Order: sequence, then C-alpha cells, then structure tokens
Amino acid sequence: KAGVTQTPRYLIKTRGQQVTLSCSPISGHRSVSWYQQTPGQGLQFLFEYFSETQRNKGNFPGRFSGRQFSNSRSEMNVSTLELGDSALYLCASSFSWRADTQYFGPGTRLTVL
Amino acid sequence: TQLLEQSPQFLSIQEGENLTVYCNSSSVFSSLQWYRQEPGEGPVLLVTVVTGGEVKKLKRLTFQFGDARKDSSLHITAAQPGDTGLYLCAGKLTFGKGTLLTVNP
Repeated sequence: KAGVTQTPRYLIKTRGQQVTLSCSPISGHRSVSWYQQTPGQGLQFLFEYFSETQRNKGNFPGRFSGRQFSNSRSEMNVSTLELGDSALYLCASSFSWRADTQYFGPGTRLTVL
Repeated sequence: TQLLEQSPQFLSIQEGENLTVYCNSSSVFSSLQWYRQEPGEGPVLLVTVVTGGEVKKLKRLTFQFGDARKDSSLHITAAQPGDTGLYLCAGKLTFGKGTLLTVNP
C-alpha cells in the first residue's frame, strides 16, 4: 500500500506571495491533518479534515487555510507569506478522524525569502 | 489544551549504551504514539500504546504507558548509530517537542 505523498517536496517563495501544498493520503484513509514543524516550536497542529469537512483547527492565523476533496486528497494554502512561515509542512493521514494513529508524509520544506 | 513534555531534549551517547526518554502530561490520553523522525523526513510511527500500564517491545525498544495514561517512556537497549533521530511522543493532535538522540560509533 502506498504511503502518504506530498508535493512539492521543496519550495522557495518570497514574502507576500501565496503557496499551495498538496497531500494524498494512504488509500482508504479519509482523515488528513496538517502540521507545521519548526526547530523552536516543534510540530504544531494546523487543521484536520474528514469527509471534506474541517473537524479541528489549530491556533494559526486565517492566512492558513485548507480543503479536502471527495477523493480525500487535501491541499493547504498560505497567503501573504511571512519569513516566519518558513518550515517543514507535514501531512498525516488516518482511517478516521476518531483514530489516534496517524501516518505522515515526507513533508514539504517551504523557505520564504 | 493538552500538552506533552519530553525529556531530555537532547541526548548524546556512545554505541552500546542504554537510554530512556520520557513523555509527561497533566492530562489523560486515550492513547499515545511514539514516532522517530530523521532530518528532512516525516515522522515514522514506532508504536501506539493504549492501555494504562501497557508495555510494548519493538526489538531493542521498550515502550511503557503509565498506569494513569498521563505519561510514557521509551527505553532503548544497546543503542546503535541507526537509532539516531528525533523521537516524538504524540497524543492525537498534540506532539511533544521531541528528544534528539545521537548515538556515536
């Protein structure tokens, strides 16, 4: 069974631009969560989607948004990029939004210049 | 807000030594997960512990879930350089900041 895939793996943007990251969950998994990982803050939860509905949301500004499609694939968007948005963005999938165990993709490394 | 605190934050040991890392919370978790992450990659699931007092073994790694389901530990016996990485404990959507383990040959 294929794992979680994320595209692109690396991205360089400049301040003020916007970016869209993509995540394809493990086949059969319907829940997708997004995390931001930085050296200082560790993994911080952004949001979780299940059946195209946002189920949980972390404490991030409205510039961070996401969505999930009917095939469970998910995208997250960051608008008006700031230098502090530079991070590893991780997507995780699980069978259900009630499931505790998540499986992570390799991440997208975003650098904002 | 549920928080998970991990200790130590950094650990550098020689090959063959034993070590224990800890994950503590003031909140009760229905389960805890342990992950290992290598630089530039996503965390890889090692184990999920569900029952208070549960002990799970994965080769040289032993995981324990506290009786009250508020804490967990990971013990590595005879560490090897391949064990090097960031060890993260997690409860649902909450992650500890991790223990960065370096095993020197």
